[in-house]
Amino acid sequence: DQQVKQNSPSLSVQEGRISILNCDYTNSMFDYFLWYKKYPAEGPTFLISISSIKDKNEDGRFTVFLNKSAKHLSLHIVPSQPGDSAVYFCAASDGHSGNTPLVFGKGTRLSVIA
Amino acid sequence: SQTIHQWPATLVQPVGSPLSLECTVEGTSNPNLYWYRQAAGRGLQLLFYSVGIGQISSEVPQNLSASRPQDRQFILSSKKLLLSDSGFYLCAWRDRDSYNEQFFGPGTRLTVL
Repeated sequence: DQQVKQNSPSLSVQEGRISILNCDYTNSMFDYFLWYKKYPAEGPTFLISISSIKDKNEDGRFTVFLNKSAKHLSLHIVPSQPGDSAVYFCAASDGHSGNTPLVFGKGTRLSVIA
Repeated sequence: SQTIHQWPATLVQPVGSPLSLECTVEGTSNPNLYWYRQAAGRGLQLLFYSVGIGQISSEVPQNLSASRPQDRQFILSSKKLLLSDSGFYLCAWRDRDSYNEQFFGPGTRLTVL
């Protein structure tokens, strides 16, 4: 049973426009959510996170929105740049410590077209 | 600052041969350590995690095993590789008992022929 779902395996966006990547979760105990970016043949790098006590967190061009009632979060990238082309993973954690492994979605491949 | 190392970066092994991938973390103590695999076109599959020396939790029954002989060293092993073991192996660490993000190593590309 997949607890974190990224239903869009791929997304193409024009440079300068907004990219919206979506993630749904089923476990109501999840209380911390993260987004990672991965280039081919490299390890994922942390992008942005949000705690369940917030509904929005912003860092530069990246904003994560959390809708707890819908068990849905999204990552907005504005404006999108060609260097943003990568696979984006959504991850979630249940518990207030680092001892519980993160649960990852299967990823969405973003292509930003110049 | 903390860094995480994995080696080798790439590896080509014949079916039936043994495997040993090593991961070390610097600049932190008592980290939680994780092994993931990304098969071609697939997501991140958690294989093992460890919350302390000698403590290993296995997430997926398979041909692999893990060991943590030292606080900041995590080893992924196999006695006999299968074709299906091919993939991109990632080590990661996270602060224990904290709400911080998880950090990944550069990965090892394993091809079993």
